[in-house]
Amino acid sequence: NAGVMQNPRHLVRRRGQEARLRCSPMKGHSHVYWYRQLPEEGLKFMVYLQKENIIDESGMPKERFSAEFPKEGPSILRIQQVVRGDSAAYFCASSLIRGETQYFGPGTRLLVL
Amino acid sequence: SQQGEEDPQALSIQEGENATMNCSYKTSINNLQWYRQNSGRGLVHLILIRSNEREKHSGRLRVTLDTSKKSSSLLITASRAADTASYFCATAFSGGGADGLTFGKGTHLIIQP
Repeated sequence: NAGVMQNPRHLVRRRGQEARLRCSPMKGHSHVYWYRQLPEEGLKFMVYLQKENIIDESGMPKERFSAEFPKEGPSILRIQQVVRGDSAAYFCASSLIRGETQYFGPGTRLLVL
Repeated sequence: SQQGEEDPQALSIQEGENATMNCSYKTSINNLQWYRQNSGRGLVHLILIRSNEREKHSGRLRVTLDTSKKSSSLLITASRAADTASYFCATAFSGGGADGLTFGKGTHLIIQP
């Protein structure tokens, strides 16, 4: 069974460009979570989605960040007009049941030059 | 904030010894999960303990939960070099409207061969 898949694994962007991070949850999982990890820090929750719905975006920055989980295809975390402070590892997780065990993907490491 | 905090921040022991890590949190929870992260990689789920459980075992892992003290401990017995990693506790808040896990900054465990 494939686990949570994320791509790309590494992404380099210049300031002002857009970053698109993709996440495919485990088979059968309809709950997707996005987290950000800064160096030497724990993960910070950003957003929780179910198919076609954003359920909890309490951790999302108010500007430039958006997320979606369409009926077909992977979940997308989109960062517009990236700044150097956006450089971090972004992890996606999925769960079979809301609030239960979350399984994490390998992460996307974003570097903003 | 219900941020969990792991203690100690770093731990170095000899192979074969037991390693104990502690976690404290601030609010009521549904469950508490422990994860391992090898350098630069994704998180691996180790164990989930529910708020009505006091102790749980999985192989060489033993987790305890004391909801009155809002604390948990992770014990790794007979440590191996491959156990070298960062270990994070993550709490699932029991209140409404908060679906993401709250992570601490982690304990960096080094097993000396």
